[in-house]
Amino acid sequence: GENVEQHPSTLSVQEGDSAVIKCTYSDSASNYFPWYKQELGKGPQLIIDIRSNVGEKKDQRIAVTLNKTAKHFSLHITETQPEDSAVYFCAALGRGSYIPTFGRGTSLIVHP
Amino acid sequence: KAGVTQTPRYLIKTRGQQVTLSCSPISGHRSVSWYQQTPGQGLQFLFEYFSETQRNKGNFPGRFSGRQFSNSRSEMNVSTLELGDSALYLCASSPDRGTGELFFGEGSRLTVL
Repeated sequence: GENVEQHPSTLSVQEGDSAVIKCTYSDSASNYFPWYKQELGKGPQLIIDIRSNVGEKKDQRIAVTLNKTAKHFSLHITETQPEDSAVYFCAALGRGSYIPTFGRGTSLIVHP
Repeated sequence: KAGVTQTPRYLIKTRGQQVTLSCSPISGHRSVSWYQQTPGQGLQFLFEYFSETQRNKGNFPGRFSGRQFSNSRSEMNVSTLELGDSALYLCASSPDRGTGELFFGEGSRLTVL
């Protein structure tokens, strides 16, 4: 089955800096890669996703890149703000699969 | 549109007891999945339900079970609770199977003493 590795497990940045979270996946047939943000005391919320026919996608301060050859994808957050502090999960969904496989999460801390 | 609603939000049980957690998906969503979240293991998949049928099951013992009703509402049950069952149990709904886009509830925090 699919295996998703996520790094780093903790990321601490100063407000205004950029943050990058990286994930690798094992199944070359995976074709959908969502990112979720989980704030304290809440459930994860989808913030951005990318499909295998696209190399990059942006939404304001967040962007996701996908390298199918290397089987890795990354979340980029620019101009970080304290409200970006949360746990971020990457996931991969295999072609023909119904259940996404999640990474173990990255705790992002943005210091004011 | 109301989000995914999970009840109860918090509960405390003792070893050997059983617990039932409830999930009401977003209106119109037919697929419901359950996940266990612990600090060390991240999000572990428990079950997926669609059209009142369990379609997929994660690697959990038979003490973990669930069901889905005709209105797409779902329940999960854990019998003979163990200390290691302490976790946040998250329910997620999606309009259909296999979209990958999950809408999570806020979870039910279970503590087993």
